[in-house]
Amino acid sequence: QKEVEQNSGPLSVPEGAIASLNCTYSDRGSQSFFWYRQYSGKSPELIMSIYSNGDKEDGRFTAQLNKASQYVSLLIRDSQPSDSATYLCAVNDAGNMLTFGGGTRLMVKP
Amino acid sequence: EAGVVQSPRYKIIEKKQPVAFWCNPISGHNTLYWYLQNLGQGPELLIRYENEEAVDDSQLPKDRFSAERLKGVDSTLKIQPAELGDSAVYLCASSSVAGSYNEQFFGPGTRLTVL
Repeated sequence: QKEVEQNSGPLSVPEGAIASLNCTYSDRGSQSFFWYRQYSGKSPELIMSIYSNGDKEDGRFTAQLNKASQYVSLLIRDSQPSDSATYLCAVNDAGNMLTFGGGTRLMVKP
Repeated sequence: EAGVVQSPRYKIIEKKQPVAFWCNPISGHNTLYWYLQNLGQGPELLIRYENEEAVDDSQLPKDRFSAERLKGVDSTLKIQPAELGDSAVYLCASSSVAGSYNEQFFGPGTRLTVL
């Protein structure tokens, strides 16, 4: 059983701070990694993809991947109240199967 | 570019009744997915299509669920008969590249309530 683990939260950060969201996965054959943002009552929205070890930056978002540790993270700099949502980590294996974690709820307080 | 379209957005039915959901993927996307999402959990794959072919349906409860993707574009997911435990959000997603580097884009989902 392939597993993707996330702390369910809520993770509470003050406006302007850095939010750090973490995810671990069990399948060492995993090939690509995604972060989705899901607002309450809405569907998941893809915000970051990462395929190789290291950091990938896009605006205020940075995804970090460490395949040796089977760990992927998402950093949100200068957090805004509009970033308050559930963040889903998803891991894609070589067979094109996407496994989602349960999500971390982020609350950014003004 | 239009996103993934799903209908209906909401559906309330009595248990034992049939229900169907429709999905139109992003134009040009050959891979289509149906997921189920329960409250507080991540989406779980039900079935994946590559063009018209169902290539992964191992998680689809085949005694009551069925799906089709005629002509390799639109898809329909059906439940017959529905049970109380089927209440969830049914999400459709599509992607343009077969293989592990593909990015999946989700539709708005159909929220099903079975009474």
